[in-house]
Amino acid sequence: ELKVEQNPLFLSMQEGKNYTIYCNYSTTSDRLYWYRQDPGKSLESLFVLLSNGAVKQEGRLMASLDTKARLSTLHITAAVHDLSATYFCAVDRKGGSEKLVFGKGTKLTVNP
Amino acid sequence: NAGVMQNPRHLVRRRGQEARLRCSPMKGHSHVYWYRQLPEEGLKFMVYLQKENIIDESGMPKERFSAEFPKEGPSILRIQQVVRGDSAAYFCASSPPDRYNEQFFGPGTRLTVL
Repeated sequence: ELKVEQNPLFLSMQEGKNYTIYCNYSTTSDRLYWYRQDPGKSLESLFVLLSNGAVKQEGRLMASLDTKARLSTLHITAAVHDLSATYFCAVDRKGGSEKLVFGKGTKLTVNP
Repeated sequence: NAGVMQNPRHLVRRRGQEARLRCSPMKGHSHVYWYRQLPEEGLKFMVYLQKENIIDESGMPKERFSAEFPKEGPSILRIQQVVRGDSAAYFCASSPPDRYNEQFFGPGTRLTVL
């Protein structure tokens, strides 16, 4: 059974600081996704990582994928308050149906 | 191009009633997925459908829950005889036939069972 673990689950940081969120998954996967969710809202797609070594950046967020280690990271650079949200990683199962398996999410709070 | 649409956005039911949640996929999308999110949790897969077919329902509870995606009209997630534990946010996602797994999520239906 494919399992996805994120850590930390809660992250409180100050504006201007850097931090990394980690996403581990248990079996071979095709794709790794990062989503953002604001309270009471739907999921906003941030990144889709398709292959080993993939790195994508958008603003202050950068995501990477190491398929050999079954690890993805979401790095936050010089955090700002607007980044406060819950971040989810999700993977699908190689050779399986197209369903996504989500981590529990990392609730990020950026304090002034 | 409108995104994935879900209605209602909020639904309140008393125990024992039925809940019907609707999802209209993005134009050109023929794959629909339903996920459930409990408070402070990640999303859990429920069912994956294509037009008139259930492809994977491994995440659906065995009783009271059913889903359909008819040839015409929206996909429906139906919960019979709701219980308090059914209270959750239910999200629908859709994807186009030629780009599997790039799922686009709707705004969700927040179900509250009194």
